[in-house]
Amino acid sequence: KNQVEQSPQSLIILEGKNCTLQCNYTVSPFSNLRWYKQDTGRGPVSLTIMTFSENTKSNGRYTATLDADTKQSSLHITASQLSDSASYICVVSAEQAGTALIFGKGTTLSVSS
Amino acid sequence: GAVVSQHPSWVICKSGTSVKIECRSLDFQATTMFWYRQFPKQSLMLMATSNEGSKATYEQGVEKDKFLINHASLTLSTLTVTSAHPEDSSFYICSANRGRKGYGYTFGSGTRLTVV
Repeated sequence: KNQVEQSPQSLIILEGKNCTLQCNYTVSPFSNLRWYKQDTGRGPVSLTIMTFSENTKSNGRYTATLDADTKQSSLHITASQLSDSASYICVVSAEQAGTALIFGKGTTLSVSS
Repeated sequence: GAVVSQHPSWVICKSGTSVKIECRSLDFQATTMFWYRQFPKQSLMLMATSNEGSKATYEQGVEKDKFLINHASLTLSTLTVTSAHPEDSSFYICSANRGRKGYGYTFGSGTRLTVV
């Protein structure tokens, strides 16, 4: 069964600190993995997208890694800011008819001052 | 980059009335658009796939007569919640894919529906 699991479910960190969010998936055949940031009451906004051959992708203070062998991904946020408080969703695309997206439940990050 | 506009961003309606939500791809053509529903602190749940020029494909458990989807052009899909009830109150999000193999998914900003 295609699944995407994220951990932790929620996280609280102090402003300026770094953090790492985890994503494990059992999606096959794999097409790509993406990380989205979703602010409360808004639609998800793409942070990074990686295909099978990519190990790391950066977008400013966000760095995503992908290990296709172990089917794990991480999103590292450096020098966190208050505006980073949001839900971070890992989404895996299965290479099949309809290009189905499998969503993780997300990690809620709260950055406090 | 790809932009998907969703309107309205929020709407309050009375029970029994119908509400239409629009999803537009502003700078690309989308033969396929997707409609999601999201409950508080939950992830997005796919409701249906909207296909331009043909009937939408609904996920199991989603009432097609309640959630009417129309994809009349390559840039516009609409979701109409008919005879809305308070339990239909939720956050609805659309997305469109401009690339092959799901590479270019872009989401709309969402619509908060409150049925009173």
